[in-house]
Amino acid sequence: QKEVEQDPGPLSVPEGAIVSLNCTYSNSAFQYFMWYRQYSRKGPELLMYTYSSGNKEDGRFTAQVDKSSKYISLFIRDSQPSDSATYLCAMASTNAGKSTFGDGTTLTVKP
Amino acid sequence: SAVISQKPSRDICQRGTSLTIQCQVDSQVTMMFWYRQQPGQSLTLIATANQGSEATYESGFVIDKFPISRPNLTFSTLTVSNMSPEDSSIYLCSVPLAGGTDTQYFGPGTRLTVL
Repeated sequence: QKEVEQDPGPLSVPEGAIVSLNCTYSNSAFQYFMWYRQYSRKGPELLMYTYSSGNKEDGRFTAQVDKSSKYISLFIRDSQPSDSATYLCAMASTNAGKSTFGDGTTLTVKP
Repeated sequence: SAVISQKPSRDICQRGTSLTIQCQVDSQVTMMFWYRQQPGQSLTLIATANQGSEATYESGFVIDKFPISRPNLTFSTLTVSNMSPEDSSIYLCSVPLAGGTDTQYFGPGTRLTVL
């Protein structure tokens, strides 16, 4: 069993929809939770970063972490065609630069 | 933020040959990471390259297959040796965000196809 499981997708939504992307994990030592966005033929770019449990909001993006359920989510409000990309969740237990990544969910937002 | 460049951006290589990938960062960093992203899969850490010491390899990756150099604080190379079609992948280097958190900046990647 993988340490990090991510909803596989692909996901296709109309412009303006609310998108929910989710990951579960098994390692209770994870404390750092990240979401990366990867456009086609590009490297991943950091989108959201959360330490421990709780919510974090940045514009149209909200990251949620529920450590009791070992479940994290990324919500995108008012989705735009420019949000079309692969979204990767990542987690780490220490401040040592080693993250475990999910397999990614490919999102397409249709105009 | 850090700006990372990689060379080459893509290459098509023959089985049995080797390819060296370069990673250049616009600021000095202690740690650099090399990842592999196979088609349809997520990122797998190959090794951590620290300046002035031997690279630390993850389980399943060995120095003979993926030798790494780290001559200074802004540059690193990863060589994929004796390539086979199974090595076809995107290879990415990354550096930690300032402050030593587990978040990272990634380079644009090198897309390798082995025939």
